[in-house]
Amino acid sequence: NAGVTQTPKFRVLKTGQSMTLLCAQDMNHEYMYWYRQDPGMGLRLIHYSVGEGTTAKGEVPDGYNVSRLKKQNFLLGLESAAPSQTSVYFCASSYSGIDEQYFGPGTRLTVT
Amino acid sequence: SQQGEEDPQALSIQEGENATMNCSYKTSINNLQWYRQNSGRGLVHLILIRSNEREKHSGRLRVTLDTSKKSSSLLITASRAADTASYFCATDNSGAGSYQLTFGKGTKLSVIP
Repeated sequence: NAGVTQTPKFRVLKTGQSMTLLCAQDMNHEYMYWYRQDPGMGLRLIHYSVGEGTTAKGEVPDGYNVSRLKKQNFLLGLESAAPSQTSVYFCASSYSGIDEQYFGPGTRLTVT
Repeated sequence: SQQGEEDPQALSIQEGENATMNCSYKTSINNLQWYRQNSGRGLVHLILIRSNEREKHSGRLRVTLDTSKKSSSLLITASRAADTASYFCATDNSGAGSYQLTFGKGTKLSVIP
């Protein structure tokens, strides 16, 4: 099992550009999450999904969109990147909303 | 908003010593979880303690939970250099009917060989 994978691992964007981060899990988990991690801020939840075709906002959703068209994939989109979105992005999945979460290796995004 | 807050923010100990980290939270919970993050890597789940449990062990890890004080502690015994990492507590918020996990800002542990 690969667990949770994320692509790409690194990306540099210019302000105003768009991109999509892909998360994939092979554990048949219902719940999937996108977090961002900034120095001194811990992890903050951006969006999450409780099943295929569903999405919900987390703590810091502004500037991001998500889609869960297939159970195993959760996409995070930035329509118009801003320097404030420079961060490390982590995807996670879990069987239920209160079980342990399995994390991907992260995507380091820099917006200049 | 942060539900869990770890204390101390940073901890430096000698190899072989015990390390204790604390977590405080604000609302009713179903579970409290501890995660480890090595530098530049994703988080790894260590242990989950349910709200009706007071203590749980896993190898060199010991977790306690005091729901009356809304606090938890993580004890790592006989620390090793490989334990150097950041440690995060995570809580759900059963009181608000929310089943998202909220992570604290973490304790950065350095174990000196």
